[in-house]
Amino acid sequence: EPEVTQTPSHQVTQMGQEVILRCVPISNHLYFYWYRQILGQKVEFLVSFYNNEISEKSEIFDDQFSVERPDGSNFTLKIRSTKLEDSAMYFCASTGGPARKYFGPGTRLTVT
Amino acid sequence: KQEVTQIPAALSVPEGENLVLNCSFTDSAIYNLQWFRQDPGKGLTSLLLIQSSQREQTSGRLNASLDKSSGRSTLYIAASQPGDSATYLCAVYNAGNNRKLIWGLGTSLAVNP
Repeated sequence: EPEVTQTPSHQVTQMGQEVILRCVPISNHLYFYWYRQILGQKVEFLVSFYNNEISEKSEIFDDQFSVERPDGSNFTLKIRSTKLEDSAMYFCASTGGPARKYFGPGTRLTVT
Repeated sequence: KQEVTQIPAALSVPEGENLVLNCSFTDSAIYNLQWFRQDPGKGLTSLLLIQSSQREQTSGRLNASLDKSSGRSTLYIAASQPGDSATYLCAVYNAGNNRKLIWGLGTSLAVNP
């Protein structure tokens, strides 16, 4: 079965530093997403991306966050200046339409 | 605003029991509902997806039902095994232009040998 991959699996960074989380969605999918899960809390939607632009973003996705699809395969989430509260598991997902979303294994971000 | 609730929050059962996990949602205008499994500190594994027009889906020992009008779904696990121990998450995909999944907090299941 096709897979979404994410790197790194674990990222430790100091407060105020920039981080880039990387994802390779399934190759023929058109819609891409980032979700996050703070420990012990619900999974939360961050942003959806289609046709090379953001189609929807949540209130969490402020000016410190950005997404990019720099080439035909990668989909990245950048946090410009990390805060302690950004510590979470970040999941990338992709889909070909309003059907099953395929999730990556996640990147655990720890901000110290 | 769509809200998803899962009951119970935690469940501990002896091996071999059949069990039911519950998920409820407040807005019945959904495209589909997915059940996921999450092992501690790990990613999200999709178990079953039920389209809004369907009543149930089955995969092995798992059966998920959907009653859209009442805003409920159940995940039935037959003959539970210790390897089923994980957190089970329910998520709904809203209809309309909103393409995001709305998640429950999950049921943490422990199956004891």
